[in-house]
Amino acid sequence: SQTIHQWPATLVQPVGSPLSLECTVEGTSNPNLYWYRQAAGRGLQLLFYSVGIGQISSEVPQNLSASRPQDRQFILSSKKLLLSDSGFYLCASRDTSSYNSPLHFGNGTRLTVT
Amino acid sequence: RKEVEQDPGPFNVPEGATVAFNCTYSNSASQSFFWYRQDCRKEPKLLMSVYSSGNEDGRFTAQLNRASQYISLLIRDSKLSDSATYLCVVKFSSGSARQLTFGSGTQLTVLP
Repeated sequence: SQTIHQWPATLVQPVGSPLSLECTVEGTSNPNLYWYRQAAGRGLQLLFYSVGIGQISSEVPQNLSASRPQDRQFILSSKKLLLSDSGFYLCASRDTSSYNSPLHFGNGTRLTVT
Repeated sequence: RKEVEQDPGPFNVPEGATVAFNCTYSNSASQSFFWYRQDCRKEPKLLMSVYSSGNEDGRFTAQLNRASQYISLLIRDSKLSDSATYLCVVKFSSGSARQLTFGSGTQLTVLP
């Protein structure tokens, strides 16, 4: 089964600082990878997804970017954080060997921009 | 209309009660269905997939009604530890990896 490693667990960053969140996946090959954000008390918002190395689809225009330098590595970045970037960031992976396979999530990173 | 809709609740039920959640979806080409559970300040975790014939896992029963385009989750003999937000997820039949859509969640609190 898949294991999704995501770090750090919590992060406090000042406005205007850069951001880099990393996610790595074990137990599968060529997964679909996703970055979600969840604001306090709200639902999951899909930010980016990737079907392969170097292939990134952005769901909403924003202050963030994503990259997939390796098959099982997905990175979320920002050059300059905004207060509105605060939230719970979740990396997810989906095994593409089965058409009906579910998503599996990492433990998440709780980001507070001050 | 949202692609996937859930009653946000909250549902407050006593221990031992039976509680049911519904989730409606708008895309008739939907193919796969899942229920996730999310504890406060934690990541969502897969509770169960929903199969066409319905399926059961201990105290949890999931059902699919394609004609009316909804799925349901029934929890019997509720435990305090069942308190969480329950998320419905629908996978649409398209070629895009974006095809998974989450409902906004139903909050359940089981009271002693």
